[in-house]
Order: sequence, then structure tokens, then C-alpha cells
Amino acid sequence: EDQVTQSPEALRLQEGESSSLNCSYTVSGLRGLFWYRQDPGKGPEFLFTLYSAGEEKEKERLKATLTKKESFLHITAPKPEDSATYLCAVQRPGNTPLVFGKGTRLSVIA
Amino acid sequence: EAGVTQFPSHSVIEKGQTVTLRCDPISGHDNLYWYRRVMGKEIKFLLHFVKESKQDESGMPNNRFLAERTGGTYSTLKVQPAELEDSGVYFCASSQEGWFGSPLHFGNGTRLTVT
Repeated sequence: EDQVTQSPEALRLQEGESSSLNCSYTVSGLRGLFWYRQDPGKGPEFLFTLYSAGEEKEKERLKATLTKKESFLHITAPKPEDSATYLCAVQRPGNTPLVFGKGTRLSVIA
Repeated sequence: EAGVTQFPSHSVIEKGQTVTLRCDPISGHDNLYWYRRVMGKEIKFLLHFVKESKQDESGMPNNRFLAERTGGTYSTLKVQPAELEDSGVYFCASSQEGWFGSPLHFGNGTRLTVT
């Protein structure tokens, strides 16, 4: 069975304090790994798709990387507006549903 | 561009009652998905429509759940009769392309509480 484990469950950072979120996955073949951001009371918002080990994607202060077993979401010099829950999801080959992790709740304190 | 819209935002019902959730996808998006997040758990897939046809309903928990998509536009998800374990946040998402890898645009969800 496909599994996605995200760590830590919650992370509290000072503004400007860089860190990384982890997404470990077990899947029978990986078609794609996805990162979403979710604000309280809102739906998930798409950030990145990664398809193969070694791939990296960047957006503002966020950079996502992928290996054969895990993905990292690096946050450089975070700001309070980066506070949110970050969700990781994987997709197997074929037109199959995304399998989500439970997410990491990030709080950035000014 | 208007986003995915869900109604109602909150619903509180008693066990045994019926509730109908509605989703209006982004205009022109043929693909519509329903997901659910139960408290403390991850977001889980329920089903996928392509236009008005059910493409994949492997995530539907049981036959108390009925989803429809009228004319390939809006969709409804009916729970009848509701049970306590049905409580959670129900998300709808839509996309243009025909596979899950294309970005999903989510609505803000309907928080369902069954008492």
C-alpha cells in the first residue's frame, strides 16, 4: 500500500530562520510527487510537481527536491506569511489518485 | 477566473439525516474530484468525474455516499443516512487535463459535523 509520511508534524521558526520539511514515501513506481500549501479554512494550493530523482523546483523562498525515497521542501529566510500547512502527495503510474501525507504545520514568528 | 466553489461551508446534522454537498468547478474544467479529510487523518480520494461520467469511484466508503455531476458542470455529493464517522472536511477539486499529475484546483471545503 502506498504511504506518505511527513515530518515534523509541526515546526515553529523565527523569521529568517531557514529549515526543511521532509516527505518520505513508499509507492509502487512513482509518476509524480506533489507539494501543496494549505491555509486555515482554505483548500490546498498547488506548489510543485517533481517527476524524477534529482529534480529540483523553486518558487520564491521555497525549493523542492526529490530522491528515490523522499522529498524535501526547503524554506529559505521564511516570513510570517509562509505560515501554513504544507502537504506532500504521490501518484503511481496510470491515471491513479493522489495519496496525501498528513502535512507539516509551519509557523513563522516575526 | 473564478475558483472552485463549494456549498455549504459548514453543515451540522444529526445521525441518520441526509446532507447534500455541492461543488462548482472552474469553468471549462472537465475533471472534477471529491476528497475528504477526517480529523487527524490525511486527505483521501473519494471519486473522479470526467464531464458527467464517473471515471474512478474506488475511494467511496460505502453505498451511503452518492455523487452526481449534472451535464458535466456542477457536482453534488449526498450522504444518506449520515453516520458519526462521516464527519470531516469534504474538498472538491477540478483540473483541465485528464490525468492526476496536472495541478488540482481545490475549493475551500465543506466542514461536515454529524452529531
